[in-house]
Amino acid sequence: GENVEQHPSTLSVQEGDSAVIKCTYSDSASNYFPWYKQELGKRPQLIIDIRSNVGEKKDQRIAVTLNKTAKHFSLHITETQPEDSAVYFCSSSGSARQLTFGSGTQLTVLP
Amino acid sequence: DAGVIQSPRHEVTEMGQEVTLRCKPISGHNSLFWYRQTMMRGLELLIYFNNNVPIDDSGMPEDRFSAKMPNASFSTLKIQPSEPRDSAVYFCASTLRGQETQYFGPGTRLLVL
Repeated sequence: GENVEQHPSTLSVQEGDSAVIKCTYSDSASNYFPWYKQELGKRPQLIIDIRSNVGEKKDQRIAVTLNKTAKHFSLHITETQPEDSAVYFCSSSGSARQLTFGSGTQLTVLP
Repeated sequence: DAGVIQSPRHEVTEMGQEVTLRCKPISGHNSLFWYRQTMMRGLELLIYFNNNVPIDDSGMPEDRFSAKMPNASFSTLKIQPSEPRDSAVYFCASTLRGQETQYFGPGTRLLVL
């Protein structure tokens, strides 16, 4: 089955700096890559997603890149703010539409 | 839209008791997923249904766990008998037909003493 690895497990940045989270996947048939943000005690919520037919997608301060050849994708957050502090999960979905999640990255934005 | 609804939100029970978690997907969504989240194992898919039919239950830990979806608007996850290692947050998620974006419910925080 699909295996998704996510790095780093924890990340601390100063407010205003950028944060980058990286993931790799194993199933070459995977074609959908959503990212979820989970605040403490809350549910995971979709923040951005990308499909295999594009290499990059941007939504305000958040961007995701995908390299299908290397089977890796990344989340980029620019101009970080304290409210960006949360756990971020990458995931991938193949033809079965099941999501396999990475292990999560605890992002802390220091004021 | 009320989103995915789960009940109860918190459950504390004693080892050996039966636990039933409930989920109501978003109206019109035809796929439903049950996940378990722990610090040690992260987010694990337990089982998912498509049009009320279980498609993949390979993530169900053992026979103590069972899930049903009697109709398009209701699903249950049952643990019998419960054990302390079942303590976790259990999430339900649903997707719209033809879509892949999963919408999560608020979760049920289960503590088995």
